[in-house]
Amino acid sequence: EIVLTQSPTTMTASPGEKVTITCRASSSVSYMHWYQQKPGASPKPWIYETSKLASGVPDRFSGSGSGTSYSLTINNMEAEDAATYYCQQWNYPSMLTFGSGTKLEIK
Amino acid sequence: EVQLQESGPGLVKPSQSLSLTCSVTGYSITSNYWGWIRKFPGNKMEWMGYISYSGSTSYNPSLKSRISITRDTSKNQFFLQLNSVTTEDTATYYCARSPSGSWFAYWGQGTLVTVSS
Repeated sequence: EIVLTQSPTTMTASPGEKVTITCRASSSVSYMHWYQQKPGASPKPWIYETSKLASGVPDRFSGSGSGTSYSLTINNMEAEDAATYYCQQWNYPSMLTFGSGTKLEIK
Repeated sequence: EVQLQESGPGLVKPSQSLSLTCSVTGYSITSNYWGWIRKFPGNKMEWMGYISYSGSTSYNPSLKSRISITRDTSKNQFFLQLNSVTTEDTATYYCARSPSGSWFAYWGQGTLVTVSS
């Protein structure tokens, strides 16, 4: 099983700040996917196949990475971006794992 | 637009079976992949398994001896059965649609299942 380690676990950012969340895989993966979840709501697809923004995601978000290191970046943090973000990978033969989540709060 | 809705008992006794239904509207379950994911108290997320457009299944190895995912294409529903549950199976259970089997594009609202005597 590929273990995904997210960092930081929790962070606070000011409006307008640049935010980077990192996801490291215990073995190389082809793609990383990201979800946003707010309290009381189901996870929303946010970034898929490493760098593609899901429908409705603001373009201040971006994703990058390869191999064992991936990141989600927010340029110009906004209050609505406060949420928990999870990374997720799939590897052959058909095993999905999630990271432990990064809780992002607004100052 | 595709919509998914989980349903089933919110309370299950230890050693019994947990059974959930995911009702899908707006998209046929004979296309794509349809999965179950759970989120434990404390926020850990776990993929449980999925059933494909053809009816083939793939399960998380940690659950393989206890889990079964089936479907009823006439009702456009798919089902989760988890046997021999313990308190550690207490979680919010989500059903979701995957375009390729590798990530989930649409999620249900989730249903909390508590395992307790």
